Amino acid sequence: NAGVTQTPKFQVLKTGQSMTLQCAQDMNHEYMSWYRQDPGMGLRLIHYSVGAGITDQGEVPNGYNVSRSTTEDFPLRLLSAAPSQTSVYFCASSLEHRLGGYGYTFGSGTRLTVV
Amino acid sequence: SQQGEEDPQALSIQEGENATMNCSYKTSINNLQWYRQNSGRGLVHLILIRSNEREKHSGRLRVTLDTSKKSSSLLITASRAADTASYFCATMGGSNYKLTFGKGTLLTVNP
Repeated sequence: NAGVTQTPKFQVLKTGQSMTLQCAQDMNHEYMSWYRQDPGMGLRLIHYSVGAGITDQGEVPNGYNVSRSTTEDFPLRLLSAAPSQTSVYFCASSLEHRLGGYGYTFGSGTRLTVV
Repeated sequence: SQQGEEDPQALSIQEGENATMNCSYKTSINNLQWYRQNSGRGLVHLILIRSNEREKHSGRLRVTLDTSKKSSSLLITASRAADTASYFCATMGGSNYKLTFGKGTLLTVNP
């Protein structure tokens, strides 16, 4: 099925642990991004990529790393988990970004709890 | 920082009525988009309106954009219980192509 696939759907981490949230799309989308959603805060951009090998920071990048070695995959790494990173994480992709004329396709989210 | 801000924060209507949600933003935009999120699910793209457009329709959805007032509205006509969801506006900046979301409007359509 075409779309954005996120794994895992749920994860519990202990403070200080590291992990990688996976995101894959099969639509040959150029643009990919990670958001976190917290109650009352809407969605905030963490990192984004405009193509393989190109990434940049969003609004709340601290504590997260990304890389984009292929067009399809855009993993998000939590370096040392903190309770403040408890959130729902969404990956989204778009056909391209330069003309800014396309909507985003979202994954179903990863619900992360850091204890 | 949030660019778009939706109003109202919550809206409750009866099935068959129209629902109107508003979005205000602060800086120049390339386009404005509306998304729907059902509880616990990912966001679904509804409609995109470019900065040089004033109105757009898609099925029961009507979106307007007033760049002079930096505001947009989403109208859902003849609402159904299945329209119950959170609705977000998102703006794409004129120069940075980052999509920035508001905090959303929670729409409840009562059967």
